[in-house]
Amino acid sequence: SQQGEEDPQALSIQEGENATMNCSYKTSINNLQWYRQNSGRGLVHLILIRSNEREKHSGRLRVTLDTSKKSSSLLITASRAADTASYFCATDARNSGGYQKVTFGIGTKLQVIP
Amino acid sequence: DTEVTQTPKHLVMGMTNKKSLKCEQHMGHRAMYWYKQKAKKPPELMFVYSYEKLSINESVPSRFSPECPNSSLLNLHLHALQPEDSALYLCASSPRGSGGYNEQFFGPGTRLTVL
Repeated sequence: SQQGEEDPQALSIQEGENATMNCSYKTSINNLQWYRQNSGRGLVHLILIRSNEREKHSGRLRVTLDTSKKSSSLLITASRAADTASYFCATDARNSGGYQKVTFGIGTKLQVIP
Repeated sequence: DTEVTQTPKHLVMGMTNKKSLKCEQHMGHRAMYWYKQKAKKPPELMFVYSYEKLSINESVPSRFSPECPNSSLLNLHLHALQPEDSALYLCASSPRGSGGYNEQFFGPGTRLTVL
């Protein structure tokens, strides 16, 4: 089963508005990452937040992490048409063999309308 | 060089064919990954090589065979695939060994169609 589940699964906003995406997960994590994927292409790493951090900023991105609620949010401020993409959260977890591995959530498809 | 390259970009193969996907990075990264991604789904981890050794095989069918000839190269050998194996195959690398504590750099993917 997926470790991370994004909410909403699809989001459509006007250019200039803010976009907020949420991610919930089930097990304890060491850190959580957010990635972006343009249609049919590779993923691009956006930001990594460690389990002992509560908030992190990078340009127009703001990520929060609440380990007590097992949730994270990604806020994109002043959205642009070029932000149109799918956004995935990724959590690390130990698999049955004892190895740490990254598992991607189901993703939020963001459409920014010019 | 700060990118992960994948060849070919597109591949169409029959169920009896043998083909290989290739991935290359020259960033000195020590972990490399293969993911499979179906349309409108997240990437699913297939294999992880950490320091050129296979560290994770996510119960992938034997018709997929990974190979890591050196620290910069990762191959995925395909044989007797099924139509349901059609997907985008993504390669990634990360600076340190496998694990969630470092970001992954992704290639653009190979779009595979099995007829």
